This record gives sequence, C-alpha cells and structure tokens, in this order.
Amino acid sequence: NAGVTQTPKFQVLKTGQSMTLQCAQDMNHEYMSWYRQDPGMGLRLIHYSVGAGITDQGEVPNGYNVSRSTTEDFPLRLLSAAPSQTSVYFCASSYSAGTRSGEQFFGPGTRLTVL
Amino acid sequence: SQKIEQNSEALNIQEGKTATLTCNYTNYSPAYLQWYRQDPGRGPVFLLLIRENEKEKRKERLKVTFDTTLKQSLFHITASQPADSATYLCALVVSNQGGKLIFGQGTELSVKP
Repeated sequence: NAGVTQTPKFQVLKTGQSMTLQCAQDMNHEYMSWYRQDPGMGLRLIHYSVGAGITDQGEVPNGYNVSRSTTEDFPLRLLSAAPSQTSVYFCASSYSAGTRSGEQFFGPGTRLTVL
Repeated sequence: SQKIEQNSEALNIQEGKTATLTCNYTNYSPAYLQWYRQDPGRGPVFLLLIRENEKEKRKERLKVTFDTTLKQSLFHITASQPADSATYLCALVVSNQGGKLIFGQGTELSVKP
C-alpha cells in the first residue's frame, strides 16, 4: 500500500492564482480530511469528508473548496490564492468517521508559498 | 471558548530520563484523545489512543493518562532516547462535533545523549 499520497510536494503561487492540491489513499478509508499547519498554530482542519459525495467544513474553510467523487481521492482547491494561505498542507485519512474512528494516516504534506 | 493547549516551550531532557508532556483542554467533550509524533518535514504519525472511560494506556515505553475531571492528558516516554526527539501532538475527537479531530499546537521534545 502507498498509504496517503499528496502532490505536489512544493508549490509557489502568485496572489490570485488558483490550484488544486491532490490527495489519494489506497486503504479504502471512509474519512478524509485536509489540515493546514502554521508555526505555533498546530494543525487546523480545513475540510473533511465522511464518504464519497459528502463533505463538510472544518475550522478554517474560507478560500478552499473540496469534492469527494471517489473513495480514494480528496482534492483541495484554492480558488484565488492569498499570502495568508502560505502554509504546509496535510491530507489525512482514517477507516471511519465519528466516534468509531481511530488513527489518522497522514500524507507527507505540500509546502505552499503564495507571493 | 474551546481550547487545546500543550506546553508551548520545548522540553529538553537527558537520555534515560522520563519525558512528560501535557495536553489540557477546555470546553470540549472528547470521546477520546490521540497522541501523534511529527518529525521535521513529515506528516504526523499516530502513537496512541485513549478513550474517555480509560484512565491509562501503555505501549512499550509510552504511557498516556486521561483525566476528564481535570481535562488533561499526560504523555510519558520512559527511558528516553535521542531518537525520541520530535514534536508530539495531542488531538481530541469531539463527540458532539461529528467526530472531528482537533489538534493542539504540539510540544517539541529534545533528548540529549
């Protein structure tokens, strides 16, 4: 199993550009989520999905869109990049959601810089 | 307001000693709590999970306690080694928020030989 994969590893954008961060998992996990990690702030939940076709907002959803058309993929779209979105982005998955969920498996991260 | 707080200052200890990291939370009703390890430039890796009705959990040199009255979890690494140096994150699964995982900011541990 490849686990959770993310592409690209690094990206530099100009303000106003759009892009999609890719996330895929091959463990048949129901639950997938996106976090951003900033110095001193820990991991903050952006969006999450409890299954194909179902998504919901986390703590910091503004400026980001997600969709979940398959169990395996959960892309994160930046609609119009802003310098405040400079961060490291992590995708994670787990077997199930809610109080039945267990450990989260994290991808290696995407380091995004917005100029 | 809801908060999860971990020691913000780095913890420096000598090899062989026990490292103790703290995770405090306010205004949450956690179903359970998890601890993760994160190395520089990498994603977090799951270590342990403890449920609200469990007081203590052990795994090899790791021990986690969970006190829902004090709203606190302690994470212990016994006989610490330089390879244990990393950032350790606690995370709550909140039972009344759809099971979302909410993270603390992490504590950096440095074990000196």
